[in-house]
Amino acid sequence: GESVGLHLPTLSVQEGDNSIINCAYSNSASDYFIWYKQESGKGPQFIIDIRSNMDKRQGQRVTVLLNKTVKHLSLQIAATQPGDSAVYFCAEGADGLTFGKGTHLIIQP
Amino acid sequence: ETGVTQSPTHLIKTRGQQVTLRCSSQSGHNTVSWYQQALGQGPQFIFQYYREEENGRGNFPPRFSGLQFPNYSSELNVNALELDDSALYLCASSLASGRAKTQYFGPGTRLLVL
Repeated sequence: GESVGLHLPTLSVQEGDNSIINCAYSNSASDYFIWYKQESGKGPQFIIDIRSNMDKRQGQRVTVLLNKTVKHLSLQIAATQPGDSAVYFCAEGADGLTFGKGTHLIIQP
Repeated sequence: ETGVTQSPTHLIKTRGQQVTLRCSSQSGHNTVSWYQQALGQGPQFIFQYYREEENGRGNFPPRFSGLQFPNYSSELNVNALELDDSALYLCASSLASGRAKTQYFGPGTRLLVL
């Protein structure tokens, strides 16, 4: 069945470095993708989204890349800060979102 | 802060009981979606309400039901609680117009079934 998955459960980066979180999806008909950040004890927080007619979108310190050929999505965080520590989820869909399991981003001082 | 609020924040029930969780959507949003998030997992879509009608449903049994009110707030009802229903229940609101349907989540209700 359709699924959205993440390649790595945990990612550890040095403070100030760039972080790249990857996501694979299987539904080739997907046309809307979102990245959420979830801190401990809180609900998912919207970071950035992208539609299938785009291959790149930039926000404040974040960039999402979409490769429809290989059904791959990535989130790049520039100059990672301690406040970026969280679990990051990619999700796809329109009404009911399908989430992956999440990647735990750990920031090393 | 998204402006989506949920109550209660925590709840403990016993197996077989019924529970009602509440959600107030962000101002201007007319669509509410509910998700279940088990520990260490991503959220799973339960259902969505738009204009007081169910507008889509995930793979959850009928004992999970909902309501949406004219002010767009919503309730999630779960009957005959099972131990596996222990999870974080998330509500998300969105504006169902055009193609922009970004969902904004509330803080969730943590349900423990004993």
